[in-house]
Amino acid sequence: DVKVTQSSRYLVKRTGEKVFLECVQDMDHENMFWYRQDPGLGLRLIYFSYDVKMKEKGDIPEGYSVSREKKERFSLILESASTNQTSMYLCASSTTLGTQGDGTGWYEQYFGPGTRLTVT
Amino acid sequence: DQQVKQNSPSLSVQEGRISILNCDYTNSMFDYFLWYKKYPAEGPTFLISISSIKDKNEDGRFTVFLNKSAKHLSLHIVPSQPGDSAVYFCAASHPYNQGGKLIFGQGTELSVKP
Repeated sequence: DVKVTQSSRYLVKRTGEKVFLECVQDMDHENMFWYRQDPGLGLRLIYFSYDVKMKEKGDIPEGYSVSREKKERFSLILESASTNQTSMYLCASSTTLGTQGDGTGWYEQYFGPGTRLTVT
Repeated sequence: DQQVKQNSPSLSVQEGRISILNCDYTNSMFDYFLWYKKYPAEGPTFLISISSIKDKNEDGRFTVFLNKSAKHLSLHIVPSQPGDSAVYFCAASHPYNQGGKLIFGQGTELSVKP
């Protein structure tokens, strides 16, 4: 079974603090993702990484940075936490190596349990 | 620009009846579609998928239909059970997405009443 773990389930931080969210996957997946989920807005991609030390901005990267020093670990950093970053943060991983029998890629992403971050 | 849209934020269905969740997309390059289910305080879990070369995929009580000309897909749950109550997200991908990026809809909250 694929396992994606996140360092904390619940986190409370103060405005201006630097926050680290850690994600680890055990399936040797090359792709990793950070999302935030807010009511009515669905899952919005913050950053993703398709290889060690590689990172790409998603749809809402402002106020965030990421680090991927090892294949299994992808960290999300809030440089100076603000109240509008209160949210559920979800990490995911996937592999795009290989195809299904019909020739299309297999893009299923496996998610961690999420971190509910509250910034006060 | 919302490329994947779920226009119904919520749906309520009686136990045993059919639940139909809808999803529309705008990008004709999308070639693979997925449905995820999410319970509160948990991460989303993969439910079912369909590639663009098919128009139907079935897995037990769950069936996904794809209408490429209308750029529309739907998830049918028959029969619905109270344990199906969750938020459902549809997602899409196209072959030029670097890193297997998925585009998610806003989600539909399904409530199945006993």
